[in-house]
Amino acid sequence: DIQMTQSPSSLSASVGDRVTITCRASQPFSNYLAWYQQKPGKVPQLLIYSASTLQSGVPSRFSGSGSWTTFTLTINNLQPEDAATYYCQKHNSAPLTFGQGTKVEIE
Amino acid sequence: QVQLVQSGSELKEPGASVKVSCRASGYSFTSYAVNWVRLAPGQGLEWMGWINTDTKNPTYARDFTGRFVFSLDTSVDTAYLQISSLRAEDTAVYYCARHSAALGLPDYWGQGTLVTVSS
Repeated sequence: DIQMTQSPSSLSASVGDRVTITCRASQPFSNYLAWYQQKPGKVPQLLIYSASTLQSGVPSRFSGSGSWTTFTLTINNLQPEDAATYYCQKHNSAPLTFGQGTKVEIE
Repeated sequence: QVQLVQSGSELKEPGASVKVSCRASGYSFTSYAVNWVRLAPGQGLEWMGWINTDTKNPTYARDFTGRFVFSLDTSVDTAYLQISSLRAEDTAVYYCARHSAALGLPDYWGQGTLVTVSS
């Protein structure tokens, strides 16, 4: 099975900063890579799928890129409401493995 | 509108079993698979597997074989997760989520069910 590894595991940034989270796959696969945001006590919210397609309703400051084995989630102009844990997930074929998560805190 | 409503929190002793339900509404239940996802305290999301609601065929992730069983009652549009021989490390929030075949991922989620295993 393909393993997904995120980095960093946590970060702290200021409002207005650009934040980048990386997700690496243990072997290459098609660009079926999704990003979720989860806040404490809440259900995961889909941000991006197929590596770079923004889910409807998601602010445009979120973007995704990458291919092969390395994918990134970028948050431009970080906002206070972006404090959350972010997960990547390999999608489209089982197993739908998640990365271990990246906790984003606002300074 | 699409809704997945899960059963309430459970407190179980080690060694017991628990059955979590996930009732779907607002769509054709047998047209979409149901995923199960776990979030343990201090841990990340884990995809447990899914069940094909048409064939009733389950697929389990590697770490969720043996004590975990997915089942369905299509007469009431409900999916179930049963965990047997509960251990303290099974303490977690368990989510069901509808699987979008078009996107190849979960698109609608239940609210989560907290299962606490403690003596």
